Amino acid sequence: AQSVAQPEDQVNVAEGNPLTVKCTYSVSGNPYLFWYVQYPNRGLQFLLKYITGDNLVKGSYGFEAEFNKSQTSFHLKKPSALVSDSALYFCAVREGGADSWGKLQFGAGTQVVVTP
Amino acid sequence: DVKVTQSSRYLVKRTGEKVFLECVQDMDHENMFWYRQDPGLGLRLIYFSYDVKMKEKGDIPEGYSVSREKKERFSLILESASTNQTSMYLCASSLWGTGFSAGNTIYFGEGSWLTVV
Repeated sequence: AQSVAQPEDQVNVAEGNPLTVKCTYSVSGNPYLFWYVQYPNRGLQFLLKYITGDNLVKGSYGFEAEFNKSQTSFHLKKPSALVSDSALYFCAVREGGADSWGKLQFGAGTQVVVTP
Repeated sequence: DVKVTQSSRYLVKRTGEKVFLECVQDMDHENMFWYRQDPGLGLRLIYFSYDVKMKEKGDIPEGYSVSREKKERFSLILESASTNQTSMYLCASSLWGTGFSAGNTIYFGEGSWLTVV
């Protein structure tokens, strides 16, 4: 069974400082990893994904994430946070293979608060 | 851009009512999903459909049913709404695929806030 953990309920960071949102996963096969962002009263917006290839993935709004197979992690990063980055961030994993018809397993979410 | 439209953003229904949540996507995606979002629990899959008239149960299908009569439309039905179904409901869609194509991005609608009183 696949699972994903976001160990921090909330991350606080000052504007201009680096932002990191942590995610670890567990799958029995090859993982497909995703990050989504949710602004208040809105749906989820896709940020980036790792399928294969380069371990460093770049996405929307200046975000990037690094796939680390040995640590089973996929942390989301941004070099310089903006107040507008304040939102709820979700990590998700899907197991690759013939039977993976599309089910994503989501973490509980991490609230990011960026202060001016 | 992919567009997933949930027609009702905010609904208030009474216990025992039958509730329909409608979702339409405009990208000819094979897969469509209904998720439920609750604080601290993340998103949980209710039902999934990979083709017209096809459906698969997700993690929490009890108390819900779905209908997919057309490729672009996926409806979530609460046969008899209960207060524990008060939640935010998210519809999503993606292309179908296996192997590397299983990494197809899932796109979400804006969500439907349902309150059952």
